Amino acid sequence: GDSVTQMEGPVTLSEEAFLTINCTYTATGYPSLFWYVQYPGEGLQLLLKATKADDKGSNKGFEATYRKETTSFHLEKGSVQVSDSAVYFCALPQGDDKIIFGKGTRLHILP
Amino acid sequence: EPEVTQTPSHQVTQMGQEVILRCVPISNHLYFYWYRQILGQKVEFLVSFYNNEISEKSEIFDDQFSVERPDGSNFTLKIRSTKLEDSAMYFCASSGEQAISGNTIYFGEGSWLTVV
Repeated sequence: GDSVTQMEGPVTLSEEAFLTINCTYTATGYPSLFWYVQYPGEGLQLLLKATKADDKGSNKGFEATYRKETTSFHLEKGSVQVSDSAVYFCALPQGDDKIIFGKGTRLHILP
Repeated sequence: EPEVTQTPSHQVTQMGQEVILRCVPISNHLYFYWYRQILGQKVEFLVSFYNNEISEKSEIFDDQFSVERPDGSNFTLKIRSTKLEDSAMYFCASSGEQAISGNTIYFGEGSWLTVV
């Protein structure tokens, strides 16, 4: 069945470092792909999405490109900030009526 | 920006008690969801709801769970007889279209349930 796999955390980086969080998916066809973020003590927020192959989603300096050749949707940011410390979830639709999440990657940014 | 609101933000209940978690989805949305996240674990799908009926439910959503949209604005999750393992953050979510269309699903801030 459809599934999403993302890199294990936690990931610890210094401020201004380059970030990559890997996400690969297994799906029938070419579903939309999402990154959600959960800041400490808060709910899930959509960070970015891509609705078709080769699309690039971007928001708040984060980017992810939908690559069907490698079935990947890796999240990147060129220069992270302490405020980016959060848990990041890759997600995709499963069936018609829901999305499923990866296990989440906790990101710690050190000042 | 419109948002999904949930109450209570935190509830402590004794094992075996009934709990109702409440949600007000975004007003023009048609698809409603409950997810849960046990501390430190992944976000798990519980149930989706459309046109006043359950459209899909997971294995977690057994006979102890039920959902209802009693008045056209609220969307509730009831746990009939809580167990210790029901302790989790419960997220309500809503969307204007089916998930497969790529439309964004909006989540509330969650209701933290602690069963003691």
